[in-house]
Amino acid sequence: EAEVAQSPRYKITEKSQAVAFWCDPISGHATLYWYRQILGQGPELLVQFQDESVVDDSQLPKDRFSAERLKGVDSTLKIQPAELGDSAMYLCASSRAAGGRQNEQFFGPGTRLTVL
Amino acid sequence: ILNVEQSPQSLHVQEGDSTNFTCSFPSSNFYALHWYRWETAKSPEALFVMTLNGDEKKKGRISATLNTKEGYSYLYIKGSQPEDSATYLCAFRTGANNLFFGTGTRLTVIP
Repeated sequence: EAEVAQSPRYKITEKSQAVAFWCDPISGHATLYWYRQILGQGPELLVQFQDESVVDDSQLPKDRFSAERLKGVDSTLKIQPAELGDSAMYLCASSRAAGGRQNEQFFGPGTRLTVL
Repeated sequence: ILNVEQSPQSLHVQEGDSTNFTCSFPSSNFYALHWYRWETAKSPEALFVMTLNGDEKKKGRISATLNTKEGYSYLYIKGSQPEDSATYLCAFRTGANNLFFGTGTRLTVIP
């Protein structure tokens, strides 16, 4: 069964360092999402791609976060510089296309980031 | 940011007990309601996508109901097993594709 792949699974970094997370969506899925889940809260959308284009990054802290999906397949989320408050689970999800009531998002296992 | 609430936050039940959780969401601009099961160290797994008021869906011992007019969904687990231990997340969707998640209900089934 096809799965969304993410790496690394765990990342520990020091404040002010740069970190990057990678996501490989299910083959053929045009839409890719990055979510952040802070402990005790539900996942929140950071950025949504349709193919290689960003369609929603309204909740992405653009002063330190960037995301790209250059060839419309895999994606990288970067934080520079990392802050203590960035400690969280970063989840990637993909779906066939945006819209459609039955459209499901399939999630990867996430990257657990700890900033010291 | 839309307010999606889940209760209880956590729950411990004995193996064999039946249990249920609640997801409350805005009753306006409803498009779909998703339920996910998230086991520790694994990917969140889609359980149900519910779109119509009065929907009832079932997968094995797990079932869910939907009331869009009053803004709630119930998830039921019949005869809980240790492998049901997980966090159960609901997510509300408006016409856009964004999912607005609740904080989840953490279920522990005690053998």
